[in-house]
Amino acid sequence: DAMVIQNPRYQVTQFGKPVTLSCSQTLNHNVMYWYQQKSSQAPKLLFHYYDKDFNNEADTPDNFQSRRPNTSFCFLDIRSPGLGDAAMYLCATSSGNGPYEQYFGPGTRLTVT
Amino acid sequence: GQSLEQPSEVTAVEGAIVQINCTYQTSGFYGLSWYQQHDGGAPTFLSYNALDGLEETGRFSSFLSRSDSYGYLLLQELQMKDSASYFCAVLGSGGYQKVTFGTGTKLQVIP
Repeated sequence: DAMVIQNPRYQVTQFGKPVTLSCSQTLNHNVMYWYQQKSSQAPKLLFHYYDKDFNNEADTPDNFQSRRPNTSFCFLDIRSPGLGDAAMYLCATSSGNGPYEQYFGPGTRLTVT
Repeated sequence: GQSLEQPSEVTAVEGAIVQINCTYQTSGFYGLSWYQQHDGGAPTFLSYNALDGLEETGRFSSFLSRSDSYGYLLLQELQMKDSASYFCAVLGSGGYQKVTFGTGTKLQVIP
């Protein structure tokens, strides 16, 4: 009955080697978010989509890109991962209307070697 | 910009009541949410205040005062499983559907 699914749960990549993280949702929600969370810190918003409308945070590095090919799927591409990009990456969704609630996936823990 | 400040750590006794505060500086928003996150887990939604006042959901209550730029989460009848990090978050400040999280409070419940 998982509603927000992230794959893989754990990802190891080499310094500079591109990596793609994926997120899918069964809630048919309009809004999808990507967050980066480092140890003992708050989630930091990287991007969000309202339908196909893409919103990039001003301080999100150019190294991070995102795609949302349809309502259900969203991808986070890290073009050249550095050691500082090691973190938990969280995907979340919301309906975009009514009482506000975000539904989070379990996260992908990225290790950069 | 937006900033939401929370105490970094709070310790409370099992069965007691604890209040976690969130003070913010932000230029307008739709509402204030609260999330719980256990170590190694994802955040889970607890409550949302669109209007000033108190919202109650079981053992958890949340309060918002826009005039005081302040909100809080109240946890009653604390249980050991409530040991987790708690985050406030504002919706819609700086962009429609944008969410900004507070600094987070680590709650430790002791016997």
